[in-house]
Amino acid sequence: KQEVTQIPAALSVPEGENLVLNCSFTDSAIYNLQWFRQDPGKGLTSLLLIQSSQREQTSGRLNASLDKSSGRSTLYIAASQPGDSATYLCAVRLEGDSWGKLQFGAGTQVVVTP
Amino acid sequence: EAQVTQNPRYLITVTGKKLTVTCSQNMNHEYMSWYRQDPGLGLRQIYYSMNVEVTDKGDVPEGYKVSRKEKRNFPLILESPSPNQTSLYFCASSFLGTEEGTQYFGPGTRLLVL
Repeated sequence: KQEVTQIPAALSVPEGENLVLNCSFTDSAIYNLQWFRQDPGKGLTSLLLIQSSQREQTSGRLNASLDKSSGRSTLYIAASQPGDSATYLCAVRLEGDSWGKLQFGAGTQVVVTP
Repeated sequence: EAQVTQNPRYLITVTGKKLTVTCSQNMNHEYMSWYRQDPGLGLRQIYYSMNVEVTDKGDVPEGYKVSRKEKRNFPLILESPSPNQTSLYFCASSFLGTEEGTQYFGPGTRLLVL
């Protein structure tokens, strides 16, 4: 059974510092991996999606890497801002699983202090 | 504006009183899904639908029903709610295609069953 783990569960950094968020998964036979941002009362917003054949994806200040063999993904957020405060979730879809079926980690709650 | 809407956003009910949470998307997506989110467990899939009249169970379907009579709507039905169904519920949708893309999530419905 696939297990997706995010450590730490919570993180507080001063504004301007780079954020490094970790996601690990036990089954390396993944189809893709997504990073989401969750804001209270606003649901989840997809940040980056990495297909299994890719090593990383970038969007603005965000960069996500994927190492299937070691079962790890890392989300980097450069020059953090107070608006980056949110809970960040990673989710994987296993090869052979039905379309759209995602296995989520429990998330890392991030607070960026001014 | 492209969006997934859920109603109601908050609901308090009593054990055994049937309820329906509606989900609607305006992006003409084929795929729709329901998740529940509980502290420390991440999101877990309840049911999903690949298209009209095509639904299937996710990881935690017990106590729930769904229907997909129209492409845009995917209601979640709790025939006899119990306290262990107290949770935060999310509806999601996406296109079906050759390569899986991102899922769009609704704002969530917080349910308390007394």
